[in-house]
Amino acid sequence: EVQLVESGGGLVQPGGSLRLSCAASGFAFSSYAMSWVRQAPGKGLEWVSGISYSGSDTYYADSVKGRFTISRDNSKNTLYLQMNSLRAEDTAVYYCAKQPNQVREFDYWGQGTLVTVSS
Amino acid sequence: QSVLTQPPSASGTPGQRVTISCSGSSSNIGTNYVYWYQQLPGTAPKLLISRNNQRPSGVPDRFSGSKSGTSASLAISGLRSEDEADYYCAAWDDSLSGWVFGGGTKLTVL
Repeated sequence: EVQLVESGGGLVQPGGSLRLSCAASGFAFSSYAMSWVRQAPGKGLEWVSGISYSGSDTYYADSVKGRFTISRDNSKNTLYLQMNSLRAEDTAVYYCAKQPNQVREFDYWGQGTLVTVSS
Repeated sequence: QSVLTQPPSASGTPGQRVTISCSGSSSNIGTNYVYWYQQLPGTAPKLLISRNNQRPSGVPDRFSGSKSGTSASLAISGLRSEDEADYYCAAWDDSLSGWVFGGGTKLTVL
């Protein structure tokens, strides 16, 4: 059974940093692309960043480019999102999602972790 | 403002057929697959329709998808109370080199 479990969310001040993790199990993690998708309170879905199966290719939404860094450790079956220079508008539930490749569907989603940016 | 345009709401009575539209452009829907996701209240999104019109295993055949040009549609027939959820369309955008979503459609079963 595919499982994706996010962690690392919490309350952080504007300008601060946070690192999210997504622990994967139940599939060959190193063979699949992964993405982070967020959802602000009461709002719709917004793709944040994606990474190829090997980690050699990364993609970012313009809203986070230069501030967020996606990475993966295939030996630990874990996906990461390093978030720096956080803003109030980054407040959201962050989901990790599995993909067959970067331009294909998000076929499995984690339960999400809440990031709140506030003073 | 979302890159893909969906109506904010839709409704129907049990047993009815409802459709939800999704409008994009040549750089996303016009050249790439459209995907649909269902998000039940308080839960993570779930893949509902893959590659324009393919149902993943376990998705009832009451759900169907179609695409024409730069627009796509999700149809739900035999509407049931458990279909009450938010529905999102999504596509890869070649110009942005990233994913774009519709703003979501809240479906109410009256």
